Order: sequence, then C-alpha cells, then structure tokens
Amino acid sequence: SQTIHQWPATLVQPVGSPLSLECTVEGTSNPNLYWYRQAAGRGLQLLFYSVGIGQISSEVPQNLSASRPQDRQFILSSKKLLLSDSGFYLCAWSGARAVEQYFGPGTRLTVT
Amino acid sequence: GQNIDQPTEMTATEGAIVQINCTYQTSGFNGLFWYQQHAGEAPTFLSYNVLDGLEEKGRFSSFLSRSKGYSYLLLKELQMKDSASYLCAPDASGTYKYIFGTGTRLKVLA
Repeated sequence: SQTIHQWPATLVQPVGSPLSLECTVEGTSNPNLYWYRQAAGRGLQLLFYSVGIGQISSEVPQNLSASRPQDRQFILSSKKLLLSDSGFYLCAWSGARAVEQYFGPGTRLTVT
Repeated sequence: GQNIDQPTEMTATEGAIVQINCTYQTSGFNGLFWYQQHAGEAPTFLSYNVLDGLEEKGRFSSFLSRSKGYSYLLLKELQMKDSASYLCAPDASGTYKYIFGTGTRLKVLA
C-alpha cells in the first residue's frame, strides 16, 4: 500500500531564516506530487505541483520554491521566511491519471 | 474565473441528517471531490463524482449536477466523530489542479 511521509511535524522558525520541508511517498512510482498551504481559517492553497523528476509548476509567486530530486521525494524550501509563511503545509500525491489526491500528515510552521 | 461557495459553518444533532451544499464555477470540469478534514489533521478523501446524480457510500452520499454547477454531501446518522470541516473541490479539466473551497465546519452536538 502507498504511504506518504512529511517531516518535521511542527516547526518554529524566526523571520528571515531558511526553510526545508520534506515529503516522501512509498509504494508507488511516478506519482504526481503537490505542496499546499492552509493558513488559519482559510482554504487549501496549491503552491507547487510536479508530474516528474525536475518538473515543477508554481501556482503562486512568492518566496518559496520546490524541488523534486528523486521520483518520490518533494522538497519545499525558502531562503528567508516571512511572517506570512506561517501555516499548515501539506504534501499530497496522486496517480498518473491524477484523480484523487492523498495527503500527508502535514507540517505546522510558525514564523516568529 | 474559479469560484467555490460553501456555507462556513453548520450545526446538527447526533443521529440526524445534514446536507452540505457546494456551488462552483470553473473554467473546465472533470468531476468534483469531497474531502473531510478534522481539526489539525490532513484532509481525507470521501468521494469523487463525475456523472450527474447521487452516489451513496455508507452513511455518506454525494450528489452532482454538472449543468447547475452544484453538488452536495449528505451525511446520515450523524456521529460525534463527524465533527470536521468538509471541503468541496472541483477537478478543473486536465490541469492536475483541484480547487479547494474554504470548507464547511460541521459541529455535531450530543
């Protein structure tokens, strides 16, 4: 069966510090991968998606970036965090036919 | 443009039936997802409707009308554990991008 992992589960970082969140998927190959952010009281905002290694599409221009160095690994990064980057970050995967998406447990980021 | 409209909050009693409505406008459309999200947790998949009509899955059913841009999620025999947010997400055609609404927060009271 397929599983998706995210770490860390929670993170508190000062403004201006870098960020690296990691997501890995097991039990499937060539998944579509997604990064979402959910700010307090708001809906899920799609940040990036990837249909293959090295292929990243950005949905929202901001100080975040994503990379996919391996087939089942997706990384979200920032060089300098802003207060507005606080939120619940969710990684998700779907099969190549891109029907339902399955979410990881999420990382709760607080920028202070 | 893309737009999704759901009620922000609903309250119902344990054992009752509740219907959560969703209207949407998207530039393309393949189908519509419903996800459940408990507070502080990740969303979990509930249903995916492609054709018009009602699809039943245990206590949960989902309805779609493509021509009206309308869907609802029907929850029967409510239980306390059903207290959660319910997210409506149209699948815009061929884009891999699902547009999530802000969700409806359902409170089930004893």
